[in-house]
Order: sequence, then structure tokens, then C-alpha cells
Amino acid sequence: EDQVTQSPEALRLQEGESSSLNCSYTVSGLRGLFWYRQDPGKGPEFLFTLYSAGEEKEKERLKATLTKKESFLHITAPKPEDSATYLCAVHNNAGNMLTFGGGTRLMVKP
Amino acid sequence: GAVVSQHPSRVICKSGTSVKIECRSLDFQATTMFWYRQFPKQSLMLMATSNEGSKATYEQGVEKDKFLINHASLTLSTLTVTSAHPEDSSFYICSARRKATNEKLFFGSGTQLSVL
Repeated sequence: EDQVTQSPEALRLQEGESSSLNCSYTVSGLRGLFWYRQDPGKGPEFLFTLYSAGEEKEKERLKATLTKKESFLHITAPKPEDSATYLCAVHNNAGNMLTFGGGTRLMVKP
Repeated sequence: GAVVSQHPSRVICKSGTSVKIECRSLDFQATTMFWYRQFPKQSLMLMATSNEGSKATYEQGVEKDKFLINHASLTLSTLTVTSAHPEDSSFYICSARRKATNEKLFFGSGTQLSVL
């Protein structure tokens, strides 16, 4: 059974204070690892897909990296508008569905 | 980018009534759609996988007679919560994947169901 664990559950940062969110996973054949952002009362918004260990992707202040066991979402000099819940999910080779982690609630204070 | 439209965004109903939630892929064909449930401050829990033209596949613990799913076309799936009770109050989110691809899921904006 695929498992995804995200840490920390909640993270408070000051504006400009860089940090990283962790997503540890076990999966029977990784087809893809996905990062989503979710604002309160909204559906998840796609950020990145990573397919193989060593891959990195960047978008504005966010950078996602992938190893064989975990993925990191690095946030550089965050702003208050980066406050949201960040979800990690894996897609295995056998099935159709994504398995989601519990999410990290990020709060960036001005 | 691809858009998934979910309607309604919010519904309040009396206990015992049924509520239908629609999920449409606006600019792509979705062979498969997924229905999730999310409680406050928790992650998404997959309820069922909906395949066009066939019966939905439900996750363990999800009552198929309670949560009726219909995937009538490549762009529309519906979730009907039958005889809703207060414990069914939750945030329901649909998602869709483009036909015959392995790419990311596109999510609807969610439906907040409140059963009085």
C-alpha cells in the first residue's frame, strides 16, 4: 500500500524566512509525485510533477526536488500570499489514483 | 490550462434530502474522474473512482448506495449524496485526468455540504 507522510503538519514563517517542506513516500513503482497548493475552501491547485530521482522544478519562490524516498518543497523568501496548505501526492504504476499526504499548513507572517 | 468546473460551491440542506454535485471538465475529455472528501484541516480522502460508461469503484468504507456516482459522458460526473445526514457534512472535491494520459489531476473548486 502506498504511503505519503508530510512534515511538518504546520509551519509558521516570517516573511523572507526561507524553509523546506518534506514529503516522504513509499510506493510500488513511482509514476509521478505531485505537489499541490490548497487555499481554504478551494480545490487543490497544481504546482509541480516530478518523475524521477534527481529531478528539480522551480516556479517563482518554490522549488521541488525528488529523491527515491522523499521530496522537498523549498520556499525561498516567502511572502504572506504563500500562506496555504501544500499537498504532496504519489501516483504508482499499477493504479489510476493518487495517494495524498496529510499536507503542511504554511503561515507566513508579514 | 485545463479547467474542471464543480457545482454548486456550497449547499445547505435538511437531513433526509438528497444533494447532487456536478463535476465537468470544460476543455478536455476525462475518461476517469475522482471524488474526494475533505474534513477541516485534513487531507483529501478518495471516495471513489468514476469511469465513463461503467460503474464507479468505491474505496473501502464508502457506501455506494449512499454516495451515487454517475459518469454519463467524457466531460461530466455527478455525485449524489442520498438521504443526507449531519455526519455527511464535509467538503467534496472532484478531479479529472485527461483521457489516455498519465499527467496531473485537475481539481474542481469543491463543494461545501452542510446538512442541518
